[in-house]
Amino acid sequence: DIVMTQSPDSLPVSLGERATINCKSSQTILHSSKRKNCLAWYQQKPGQPPKLLIYWVSTRESGVADRFSGSGSGTDFTLTISSLQAEDVAVYYCQQYYSTPPTFGQGTKLEIK
Amino acid sequence: DVQLVESGGGLVKPGGSLRLSCAASGFIITNAWMSWVRQAPGKGLEWVGRIKRKKDGGTTDYAAPVKGRFTISMDESRNTLYLQMRSLRIEDTAVYFCAIDGSSGFYEAWFGPWGQGTLVTVSS
Repeated sequence: DIVMTQSPDSLPVSLGERATINCKSSQTILHSSKRKNCLAWYQQKPGQPPKLLIYWVSTRESGVADRFSGSGSGTDFTLTISSLQAEDVAVYYCQQYYSTPPTFGQGTKLEIK
Repeated sequence: DVQLVESGGGLVKPGGSLRLSCAASGFIITNAWMSWVRQAPGKGLEWVGRIKRKKDGGTTDYAAPVKGRFTISMDESRNTLYLQMRSLRIEDTAVYFCAIDGSSGFYEAWFGPWGQGTLVTVSS
């Protein structure tokens, strides 16, 4: 199974500041025919199901605020929130869908400093 | 609007069985690939299994910890996804979410939308 490792586990950020969450895969997750990396990001607020934010590393799901962006290549990927808002407090997960079973990172808890 | 509503969770003894349901609205469930994902209390997300859309054969895949014990199926007439769980173990305690698997013609992919989840507690 592909192991996804996120860092940090917890991230305190001041309102209006940039938040950066990292995700590393244990092997390549590059889809050979699409030439895209199979990496998605989710946001989960307490008591709620996860919400899809981004797929194909950087494609924002419809309705997701443009302060959320994804980047990366190879085995290293990043979710960036350009200007933290109070409603962004949540746990964020990365997920690879290159191979079955799909696997998630352990989560990064984003909080207000 | 697409909506998924899980039900059927509850308290069950080790070795027992339970069937979860995921009622879909806003789309035809047999036209979608669907997955179940679980989350143990205070823990992260773990994929449980998926079922392919009818057009792709309706076959299933399972995570190793549940293979041989869990079965995913669909009822087209009820537009509902099921997760039959048998030989339940304490470590199966979790909130179970159903989710659409992929979109835009690409499957075995990202998950969304998700249902709100149903809690399964396995305890003596």
